[in-house]
Amino acid sequence: QKEVEQDPGPLSVPEGAIVSLNCTYSNSAFQYFMWYRQYSRKGPELLMYTYSSGNKEDGRFTAQVDKSSKYISLFIRDSQPSDSATYLCAISYTGGGNKLTFGTGTQLKVEL
Amino acid sequence: DADVTQTPRNRITKTGKRIMLECSQTKGHDRMYWYRQDPGLGLRLIYYSFDVKDINKGEISDGYSVSRQAQAKFSLSLESAIPNQTALYFCATSDPTRPPETQYFGPGTRLLVL
Repeated sequence: QKEVEQDPGPLSVPEGAIVSLNCTYSNSAFQYFMWYRQYSRKGPELLMYTYSSGNKEDGRFTAQVDKSSKYISLFIRDSQPSDSATYLCAISYTGGGNKLTFGTGTQLKVEL
Repeated sequence: DADVTQTPRNRITKTGKRIMLECSQTKGHDRMYWYRQDPGLGLRLIYYSFDVKDINKGEISDGYSVSRQAQAKFSLSLESAIPNQTALYFCATSDPTRPPETQYFGPGTRLLVL
């Protein structure tokens, strides 16, 4: 079993839709839960992160962690064509040297 | 100027050739990483270095070697390239003093092994 599982998509939505991207993980020691965004032909960039459980909001983006079910989500409200990218979840814990374990990424396309 | 640069950006080589991918950073970070990205497999860690004298294997180091020439430079070599090493390669840096340990990625090198 992979440590992090992510639906690869692709996911296509109309502009203005609410998007939900999800990952599941297996190691309960994970502490930091991150979302990276990767535009075509670019390297991934950190979008946002949460520590432990709960929600974190940043503009149109909300990151959610449910440690009891080992499930993390990224919600995008009022999606825009500029949100079209691949979204990768990434997880780490201090005892693992803070190395990141990445999901495979979900490719999102927001259409006009 | 970009904080993490990779050269070359694209490379085509033949089976059996030795090639080197180079990474330079101006972020002043001690930690550097090499990943490969394949469709459906995501980012996989090849090697990482926590400082100039520290080199560690990642999950898929076979067929690869690295050299940390300075804090700012970390090179990845394919000693004898094979077609299944065709992939997108990323270098990254991180700063452990600022949790979470955000990784900063270069633009990638697209490698094709014929």
